[in-house]
Amino acid sequence: DTGVSQDPRHKITKRGQNVTFRCDPISEHNRLYWYRQTLGQGPEFLTYFQNEAQLEKSRLLSDRFSAERPKGSFSTLEIQRTEQGDSAMYLCASSLGGTGANYGYTFGSGTRLTIV
Amino acid sequence: KQEVTQIPAALSVPEGENLVLNCSFTDSAIYNLQWFRQDPGKGLTSLLLIQSSQREQTSGRLNASLDKSSGRSTLYIAASQPGDSATYLCAVIGQAGTALIFGKGTTLSVSS
Repeated sequence: DTGVSQDPRHKITKRGQNVTFRCDPISEHNRLYWYRQTLGQGPEFLTYFQNEAQLEKSRLLSDRFSAERPKGSFSTLEIQRTEQGDSAMYLCASSLGGTGANYGYTFGSGTRLTIV
Repeated sequence: KQEVTQIPAALSVPEGENLVLNCSFTDSAIYNLQWFRQDPGKGLTSLLLIQSSQREQTSGRLNASLDKSSGRSTLYIAASQPGDSATYLCAVIGQAGTALIFGKGTTLSVSS
């Protein structure tokens, strides 16, 4: 296992189009997270899965955003009707966690989204 | 609401200097703290993870300390090299949730 993989690395799309990103976590990690990072800022939490269940969503995740993690493996993040403000780096991370435990996060290389 | 602040926002040093990056957080009830490195346009690479019961962690030329009671962590880099040039991010995870809360980072430039 070579770590967390994200696809595509870069995506340029016209405003109003839909886009979908994919994240493949480290296989033994049960938790998967999506973050968004804009220039000069730290990553901001979007949503989190434990296995296939989506357990937490940030208020940043508007109704145009949807995330899935079927069968608790890879995850997809879809943005519908993209807007200029959606331009950002979208980061995926995974971790191994249990009751009261968290063993640190591993991040992928990110997907850079540019809305034109 | 947890807030993480990193000072300074940017730092330029000549090669060979020892340096300290600072991170402070407003809620001391954290589960652990993690330092990351980010190269321009890239993802995050984990450097050090400190559990709340620990006071410090070391990896090579890096040493991170944690003082929960004062809400502070420092990342010490010894004998800096041009290859250390990157943005360093501090993040905490609270006991009440599982999302990492990040600071804005310190951008380090090491000149040869």
